[in-house]
Amino acid sequence: EPEVTQTPSHQVTQMGQEVILRCVPISNHLYFYWYRQILGQKVEFLVSFYNNEISEKSEIFDDQFSVERPDGSNFTLKIRSTKLEDSAMYFCASREVPRDRDTEAFFGQGTRLTVV
Amino acid sequence: DAKTTQPNSMESNEEEPVHLPCNHSTISGTDYIHWYRQLPSQGPEYVIHGLTSNVNNRMASLAIAEDRKSSTLILHRATLRDAAVYYCILREAMKTSYDKVIFGPGTSLSVIP
Repeated sequence: EPEVTQTPSHQVTQMGQEVILRCVPISNHLYFYWYRQILGQKVEFLVSFYNNEISEKSEIFDDQFSVERPDGSNFTLKIRSTKLEDSAMYFCASREVPRDRDTEAFFGQGTRLTVV
Repeated sequence: DAKTTQPNSMESNEEEPVHLPCNHSTISGTDYIHWYRQLPSQGPEYVIHGLTSNVNNRMASLAIAEDRKSSTLILHRATLRDAAVYYCILREAMKTSYDKVIFGPGTSLSVIP
């Protein structure tokens, strides 16, 4: 079964450093998303991406965050200058183009980001 | 997105059916009802979705009330692996085709051996 792949599974970084989280969405999907989940809290939407541009972003997704689809397969989330409060699980998701019905989102297993 | 209400937690015995309720009294005619779950230390996983009719798949069944103001996710035979947080989510599909999934707190299901 096709799946969304995220790397690395765990990233430890020092405060103030830049990190790039990587995702390989399912190959025929065109909608991409990033979510985060702080330990013990609910899954929060960060950003959606379609047709090589951001289609929607939440208040969490400030100027420190950026997303990119550098080639035909990868989808990345960059945090420019990490803060302690960025420590969380980050999930990538993708979805195919809906035709005559709604479609489900497929999530990766996540990257645990720890900022020290 | 229209709001859903779910119990914070539920318990079930292993190998027994589980009925997870969801209220969505403000649902609109174009809202799809989606269920996702999140197993411990894993990403969310799609379970099932429907619009008006009851739906079955290999994971679960979705029973939708006639007025669509509530729905029930049915796990026919709970296993220990079904212990997870279950999210009931409404999506106004086709309005914004790239629309995101918004998660609430969900129902934490415990399965007792």
